[in-house]
Amino acid sequence: GEDVEQSLFLSVREGDSSVINCTYTDSSSTYLYWYKQEPGAGLQLLTYIFSNMDMKQDQRLTVLLNKKDKHLSLRIADTQTGDSAIYFCAERDSNYQLIWGAGTKLIIKP
Amino acid sequence: DGGITQSPKYLFRKEGQNVTLSCEQNLNHDAMYWYRQDPGQGLRLIYYSQIVNDFQKGDIAEGYSVSREKKESFPLTVTSAQKNPTAFYLCASSIGGAGVLETQYFGPGTRLLVL
Repeated sequence: GEDVEQSLFLSVREGDSSVINCTYTDSSSTYLYWYKQEPGAGLQLLTYIFSNMDMKQDQRLTVLLNKKDKHLSLRIADTQTGDSAIYFCAERDSNYQLIWGAGTKLIIKP
Repeated sequence: DGGITQSPKYLFRKEGQNVTLSCEQNLNHDAMYWYRQDPGQGLRLIYYSQIVNDFQKGDIAEGYSVSREKKESFPLTVTSAQKNPTAFYLCASSIGGAGVLETQYFGPGTRLLVL
């Protein structure tokens, strides 16, 4: 079946860039999403990318999509303590449902 | 101020008891979803509803039930048949309709604990 995989943890120093990676298996995905979850809260949509795009930039966030390798990444420039959260990658499958990764916990070191 | 509300924030269940989690949205969205989140795992879909008076089972529907009598409301009942109900439950909604960007918007979640 379809699958989305992410590393469980990423640790970066404050001020550095964070790069969170995600791989997926469904080649018919149309949209791919990044959501952010702060402790004890619901998920907040950060950004999304359509499958015919290679890159999307929104302020400190850059999304890169390599469709050939089915690889998606989220780069956060100048990482701040407020960026500490769990980041979920999700793909929209051919049945219009979202398939979720397990989430990457971003840890910020001072 | 539009959004999705879930209540309660914390819920305790005794053995053999059914409990109901509330989810309300005022975004005028047709589609609503219930997910379960366990530590170290992605979100798993319990039930979803694309329109009032209709709903479908997700990947882990056993031990759960839902209703969709109103567009704004999609309550989830965790029945006594659900043997491991301790989890964080997230409700979401989206505009609905195939072919459009189905961005899902999430509520703040309900944490269910078994006594």
